Amino acid sequence: QSALTQPPSASGSPGQSVTISCTGTSSDVGGYNYVSWYQQHPGKAPKLMIYEVSKRPSGVPDRFSGSKSGNTASLTVSGLQDEDEADYYCSSYAGSKILLFGGGTKLTVL
Amino acid sequence: EVQLVESGGGLVKPGGSLRLSCASSGFAFSNAWMIWVRQPPGKGLEWVGRIKSKSGGGTTDCAEPVKGRFTLSRDDSKNMFYLEMNSLKTEDTAIYYCTTGYSDSSGRYHGDDAFDIWGQGTMVTVSS
Repeated sequence: QSALTQPPSASGSPGQSVTISCTGTSSDVGGYNYVSWYQQHPGKAPKLMIYEVSKRPSGVPDRFSGSKSGNTASLTVSGLQDEDEADYYCSSYAGSKILLFGGGTKLTVL
Repeated sequence: EVQLVESGGGLVKPGGSLRLSCASSGFAFSNAWMIWVRQPPGKGLEWVGRIKSKSGGGTTDCAEPVKGRFTLSRDDSKNMFYLEMNSLKTEDTAIYYCTTGYSDSSGRYHGDDAFDIWGQGTMVTVSS
């Protein structure tokens, strides 16, 4: 069982928005503003999409946004495109445990 | 070109040892915090461990499941990062990725919470 809880799957049609949740505890997600999100296509390495809860690295489309409330962080993908179909992982700094990942969410573009 | 290339994976029996290597190029390796992340087949990501840059103290930390069995090291003169794995268990079977901390546009370095350069991974299979 992963330390951070994500729904195993999410889906949406092209052009729609989808939100993926990531639930932890006050010792990780709730205790620090260091939540990141990664996109992973099959057979590929993960790609950093969001850091510090809501910031985007250069080159990441602004269709990707992040937020946090309490012990739950969220990734929203707006204006879904076919290439957004992938696995998405959240992570959070966790103090002495350093870093925890979520179990991953498979996003399907219908 | 900014690049990380892992090597050293393979098939090993339970209780055995293996050393993974990660070759870096295209960025200031000596300033980078280096991290190993693994992914069991068909499963999610797991943080394995991190070594700070020498200027950052050079200290290492490992996840509980591998503490005492895995050791991280680096050779800044060769731009190389290593993972020494001993007393391997079947549950260590995974793709092992090396990655680096992320320097954001404001100059803040995210050595422990965000990773932006990744290798292609090397597969480690622990089986009798």
